[in-house]
This record gives sequence, C-alpha cells and structure tokens, in this order.
Amino acid sequence: KAGVTQTPRYLIKTRGQQVTLSCSPISGHRSVSWYQQTPGQGLQFLFEYFSETQRNKGNFPGRFSGRQFSNSRSEMNVSTLELGDSALYLCASSFLAGGPNEQFFGPGTRLTVL
Amino acid sequence: AQSVAQPEDQVNVAEGNPLTVKCTYSVSGNPYLFWYVQYPNRGLQFLLKYITGDNLVKGSYGFEAEFNKSQTSFHLKKPSALVSDSALYFCAVRDMNRDDKIIFGKGTRLHILP
Repeated sequence: KAGVTQTPRYLIKTRGQQVTLSCSPISGHRSVSWYQQTPGQGLQFLFEYFSETQRNKGNFPGRFSGRQFSNSRSEMNVSTLELGDSALYLCASSFLAGGPNEQFFGPGTRLTVL
Repeated sequence: AQSVAQPEDQVNVAEGNPLTVKCTYSVSGNPYLFWYVQYPNRGLQFLLKYITGDNLVKGSYGFEAEFNKSQTSFHLKKPSALVSDSALYFCAVRDMNRDDKIIFGKGTRLHILP
C-alpha cells in the first residue's frame, strides 16, 4: 500500500506570494490533518478534514486554509506569505478521524519564504 | 484545555543502556496517548499508543511506554538502546471524552552514544 504523498517536496517563495500544498492520503483513509513543524515550536496542528468537512482547526491566522476533495486528497493554501511561514508542512492521514486512530505521516513539504 | 509536555529537549544515552523519554499530559477527561518518532530526513512514524486497559504498552522497535494516571505521565522506554534509535521523539495526546484535536509535545531529541 502506498504511503502518504505530498507535493511538492520543496518550495521557495517570496513574501506576499501565496502557495498551495497537496497531500494524497493512504488509500481508504478518509481523514487528513495538516501540521506545521519548526525547530522552535515543534509540531503545531493546522486543521483536520474528514469526508470533505473541516473537523478541527488550530490557532493559525486566516491566511492558512485548506480543503478536502471527494477522493480524500487535500490541499492547504497559505496566502500573503510571511518570513515566519518558513517551515516543514506535514500531512497525516488516518482511516477514521479523531479517537484512538494513529496517523500516518507524509514526508512533508519544506517551504522557504524569502 | 489539553496539553502535553516533554520536559527534556535532549536525552543522551550510551548504547546498551536503558533509555527513558519523558512525557506528561493534561486533559479534562481520559486520554488517548501516542508516541511518534522522526528519523533524520524522514517523516514521523507511529510507535505506540495507549487507549485503555494495561498500563504498559508495547510498540515498534522494542519500545514500550507506561501509562501512569496519578502522575499523568506516559514515559517512553527501551531496555537497551541502539545507535539507530537516535531520532526526534514526539508525545501526543487527545482527550477521549471531547474527541478534540490531537496535541503534540515539542519533541525530545534522543542521542545514543556508541
């Protein structure tokens, strides 16, 4: 079974631009979550989707948004990029949402904002 | 609000010695607890989880974790460390009763010294 895939793996953008990251979950998984990983803050939860609906949202500004498609693939978008948005963005999928379900992580997209 | 703390940024252990990576949590209800590991240049991998029942949970790669409700802790342990165990370890918690978003600790970097 193929794992979680994320595209692109690396991105370089400049301040003020916007970016879209893509995540394909493991086949059959209906829940997708997004995280921001930075050396200082660790793993911070962005949002979680299940069956095309946002279940939970972390404490990030409205510049961060996401969506999930009917095939469970998910995208996240960051508008008006700031230097502080430079981070590794991780996507994780699970068969069901919440509860005791462990998550399976993708390799991440490394975003650098110049 | 739920939270999780990993009090040590880094832990150094000699190869062959037992290792412990500490985690404490705070939830209003009963917790689901998880440990994940991130090897260099690789995504996070699930190690083990506590749902209910036996306080000692066994996971991948010879790791185990002990749930202690009175101390609200879920420390990760291994009887004999390997150099290949060197990685970044994350503890995570989700409130069972609220089915809220999962919260990750900031991570503990484990160095196994040959």
